[in-house]
Amino acid sequence: DGGITQSPKYLFRKEGQNVTLSCEQNLNHDAMYWYRQDPGQGLRLIYYSQIVNDFQKGDIAEGYSVSREKKESFPLTVTSAQKNPTAFYLCASVHFGTGELGANVLTFGAGSRLTVL
Amino acid sequence: AQSVTQPDIHITVSEGASLELRCNYSYGATPYLFWYVQSPGQGLQLLLKYFSGDTLVQGIKGFEAEFKRSQSSFNLRKPSVHWSDAAEYFCAVSSGNTPLVFGKGTRLSVIA
Repeated sequence: DGGITQSPKYLFRKEGQNVTLSCEQNLNHDAMYWYRQDPGQGLRLIYYSQIVNDFQKGDIAEGYSVSREKKESFPLTVTSAQKNPTAFYLCASVHFGTGELGANVLTFGAGSRLTVL
Repeated sequence: AQSVTQPDIHITVSEGASLELRCNYSYGATPYLFWYVQSPGQGLQLLLKYFSGDTLVQGIKGFEAEFKRSQSSFNLRKPSVHWSDAAEYFCAVSSGNTPLVFGKGTRLSVIA
């Protein structure tokens, strides 16, 4: 079945360590996104990429980095510069189009929960 | 800039009662509007969307929403709530190829 796979589901990190969250999609979607979710804050955009080898900062990009070397993959690195990285991270993807079934609708992965010890 | 306001942080309804979750948006052009639902520790699932046309849209699980341009609203409704509807609900807006902007969510509790 087509979908988005995020791994790991749970991750624990010590302060000062970088960690990378994986996001893979087999939907042949054009764009991919990373959102951060904190209780009562909704979803806030970290980074997004609309084409391979190109990405843009979202509202809260500081302390994060991404790459988009392949269409199906958009890993997120949480660096030691991120002051409060404990959160639930959601990856999403979308196909842009006009009239096609499912176009312009974000599909989400199941999320990764990062806890800094 | 686009923004979404969900005025109710938490709503409790009795099973079988009707439900309305409020959503107001700020956007200059005709928006693409969405409602998503999230169970604890899970990703988001699309309930319904509005792109154009009929302003009353039907979604999955018996939900519907009405786009009212004059009020900049896109409220979600369900005539009879089931215990399995307890979850968090997010309203979102975009222009089509811009990233979705989400509201802060409304947590729905259902009591017997």
